[in-house]
Amino acid sequence: GAGVSQSPRYKVAKRGQDVALRCDPISGHVSLFWYQQALGQGPEFLTYFQNEAQLDKSGLPSDRFFAERPEGSVSTLKIQRTQQEDSAVYLCASSSQPNSYEQYFGPGTRLTVT
Amino acid sequence: GENVEQHPSTLSVQEGDSAVIKCTYSDSASNYFPWYKQELGKRPQLIIDIRSNVGEKKDQRIAVTLNKTAKHFSLHITETQPEDSAVYFCAASMGQTGTASKLTFGTGTRLQVTL
Repeated sequence: GAGVSQSPRYKVAKRGQDVALRCDPISGHVSLFWYQQALGQGPEFLTYFQNEAQLDKSGLPSDRFFAERPEGSVSTLKIQRTQQEDSAVYLCASSSQPNSYEQYFGPGTRLTVT
Repeated sequence: GENVEQHPSTLSVQEGDSAVIKCTYSDSASNYFPWYKQELGKRPQLIIDIRSNVGEKKDQRIAVTLNKTAKHFSLHITETQPEDSAVYFCAASMGQTGTASKLTFGTGTRLQVTL
């Protein structure tokens, strides 16, 4: 079946612009995670949804970052007033329930802030 | 919070040799340890995982071992092939029973398999 998809794959934004990144999880997957991967580093947790509920947003680096999943499927990560340090690959992962710990990643969105 | 350290950062082996990558974690409550393979510009791909109630797991040429007492876990790849060349990440999480939880990743190991 189809895996996790993300769009756009690449985004170039001028500093100060707002961006919106989309994640389509595997159909029926209840859990959805966002991670940020800086160049040459491992992914770092941003936020977690179970269905439409955002249960953990402890990894969001500032209040410029906002995520939503209003209908419990597609999720959007929004970054307001982008800054150069926001440049990274943003990865989305989903996981099914019950009795599943495995997370499956999308291809990511590479954000470059100029 | 959880902290995961990974060694080595780079590893070069000849085709057919074995490769071992080691990770340590800090929080004894962690109970799920996956390994991901990431090729350049691609998504992280889950290759094997282990839960804390198991000491070892094997899948063809890949095996993972876990030492809960020492808070160590390792990835073993035997009979390496050029297509094994990639960056490998270990991770740890404290999942509730049957539910995925946020992953804390190591810094990655770049494996190069030479002919």
